[in-house]
Amino acid sequence: QQQVKQSPQSLIVQKGGISIINCAYENTAFDYFPWYQQFPGKGPALLIAIRPDVSEKKEGRFTISFNKSAKQFSLHIMDSQPGDSATYFCAASGWNQGGKLIFGQGTELSVKP
Amino acid sequence: EAGVAQSPRYKIIEKRQSVAFWCNPISGHATLYWYQQILGQGPKLLIQFQNNGVVDDSQLPKDRFSAERLKGVDSTLKIQPAKLEDSAVYLCASSPIREGLNYGYTFGSGTRLTVV
Repeated sequence: QQQVKQSPQSLIVQKGGISIINCAYENTAFDYFPWYQQFPGKGPALLIAIRPDVSEKKEGRFTISFNKSAKQFSLHIMDSQPGDSATYFCAASGWNQGGKLIFGQGTELSVKP
Repeated sequence: EAGVAQSPRYKIIEKRQSVAFWCNPISGHATLYWYQQILGQGPKLLIQFQNNGVVDDSQLPKDRFSAERLKGVDSTLKIQPAKLEDSAVYLCASSPIREGLNYGYTFGSGTRLTVV
């Protein structure tokens, strides 16, 4: 119940295309869903986050879509750029977990020029 | 604002040796986390501190791992004795958790440990 399942494991997209990464969770107590971006040799950096009271959140080229009934959420990267090439992690946290984040397995995104 | 500082960046040790990692969180962040990230996997929580008290250490292998956070600021994570499977990146993160709500972690760059 504490797992967050992420797919795909790797993704190759052409420059200008849309990158889509999906995550699914089971614990209905989760109420905070962030996405992190990690470059080699660096720690994960918060990209965008959503709470379950909204179904979509957009920040620049990055959008989170959230489906509470299906217990799924996804990251869409519009107009993908080579600089977006990184590993992306979804995560989830619950109000009763003191802020502890459960991470997905990660998606390695490669944007080809 | 200064980020989360970690040292050392890299460490290579032989199995059964001991090693320690240091973390200095963002000033004012009450909550500090240590995560273990094995190559190709997502980070896994080892221990969570709120000020200088332990909130969650359920995933910490206590027979060999220990951690402390003196005075509610800096923290150290120790492994003694190390095993080959401890090879990973150890990430420290801090967060301004307020009223139980998560406002997002800031991670350090991590310490890459190789046990040979």
